[in-house]
Amino acid sequence: ETGVTQTPRHLVMGMTNKKSLKCEQHLGHNAMYWYKQSAKKPLELMFVYNFKEQTENNSVPSRFSPECPNSSHLFLHLHTLQPEDSALYLCASSHLTGPSYEQYFGPGTRLTVT
Amino acid sequence: RKEVEQDPGPFNVPEGATVAFNCTYSNSASQSFFWYRQDCRKEPKLLMSVYSSGNEDGRFTAQLNRASQYISLLIRDSKLSDSATYLCVVNVGANNLFFGTGTRLTVIP
Repeated sequence: ETGVTQTPRHLVMGMTNKKSLKCEQHLGHNAMYWYKQSAKKPLELMFVYNFKEQTENNSVPSRFSPECPNSSHLFLHLHTLQPEDSALYLCASSHLTGPSYEQYFGPGTRLTVT
Repeated sequence: RKEVEQDPGPFNVPEGATVAFNCTYSNSASQSFFWYRQDCRKEPKLLMSVYSSGNEDGRFTAQLNRASQYISLLIRDSKLSDSATYLCVVNVGANNLFFGTGTRLTVIP
């Protein structure tokens, strides 16, 4: 399935590095999301973009910086991360940000911070 | 209190068995409900939405009890391919989607 794609699939980075995660959706959706999934924890919503405008930032540290140049692409820029930021980062999209709109996930980027 | 609570399992059941998962949510203003399935090291995939009247999709039946604030998922005639983690998801508002930690199911031959 290629509805929502993410690159890279795996990333190992040092605490002083800068890297970016990329997400692209081919579903004609208008809303895109970043989630973090850590072991033994539920998915945590990080950022929401609706028609390219950020509508939600759930108190995410500034070392994570999102960018949404258009409704099909979403980036997560990473800098000076901590080891506890190691997790699976999932991108999702939906038609709109409403309660009944189902979200479709990409395969995720498994990030390890050393 | 967690927004969404699920029994983490694991549930180990033989092929052909019927298994049920429950999930409770804390916010009475929750508006929509879903079950997602997540295979090991893969992304969550929507299994089914949960409607107030209950809904069925093949071997899967979802129920919602708003008064008691719980959602259930019933799987009949379990297949080996049903082995996965099942995530209960509750949407409180436009952007407020809360996930449970998931219930792990293993179907044994």
